[in-house]
Amino acid sequence: QKEVEQNSGPLSVPEGAIASLNCTYSDRGSQSFFWYRQYSGKSPELIMSIYSNGDKEDGRFTAQLNKASQYVSLLIRDSQPSDSATYLCAQGGGTSYGKLTFGQGTILTVHP
Amino acid sequence: SQTIHQWPATLVQPVGSPLSLECTVEGTSNPNLYWYRQAAGRGLQLLFYSVGIGQISSEVPQNLSASRPQDRQFILSSKKLLLSDSGFYLCAWRRHDSNQPQHFGDGTRLSIL
Repeated sequence: QKEVEQNSGPLSVPEGAIASLNCTYSDRGSQSFFWYRQYSGKSPELIMSIYSNGDKEDGRFTAQLNKASQYVSLLIRDSQPSDSATYLCAQGGGTSYGKLTFGQGTILTVHP
Repeated sequence: SQTIHQWPATLVQPVGSPLSLECTVEGTSNPNLYWYRQAAGRGLQLLFYSVGIGQISSEVPQNLSASRPQDRQFILSSKKLLLSDSGFYLCAWRRHDSNQPQHFGDGTRLSIL
């Protein structure tokens, strides 16, 4: 059974710091990984997709994928209070059904 | 661009009453569609998914059912709600036959009294 594990948190960082969120997965078959941000009471919002080993940067966000070690991470540079949310890591199923396996989420709080 | 609509945003229902939640997608054809439930403080639980009209796959046996009467319409139903059906219900879509992510609607918060 596929499993996606996230560092349990909650994670608290000061404003301006780098927040590091980590995720490990058990199924080597999938090639796609996603990070979603979910504000309290709202639906998940896609912030990053990564499909190949290495780093992918988008603004203040960097996703890192290491298939050999089976982990994926999300770095948030210059963290802002508006980044305070639950971050969900998801692994794609690799089939046309498109099912995702989600981690339980990490709660991030950025304090001024 | 593609958009996904869910309604209602909030619903309060008595135990034993029926349920119908609707989700529609615009701007794409033949999407994969998904229903999730998120209990308070918990992760996302996939309930149903559909890869085409009339095609429904159930992930968890329960008090709910799903239907896809049209290409871009996905409906979640129940004949008799239980207290345990309370939660945040999310519909999501994804391009068919691709490695793309899922995109979520705004969700329906369901409270059972």
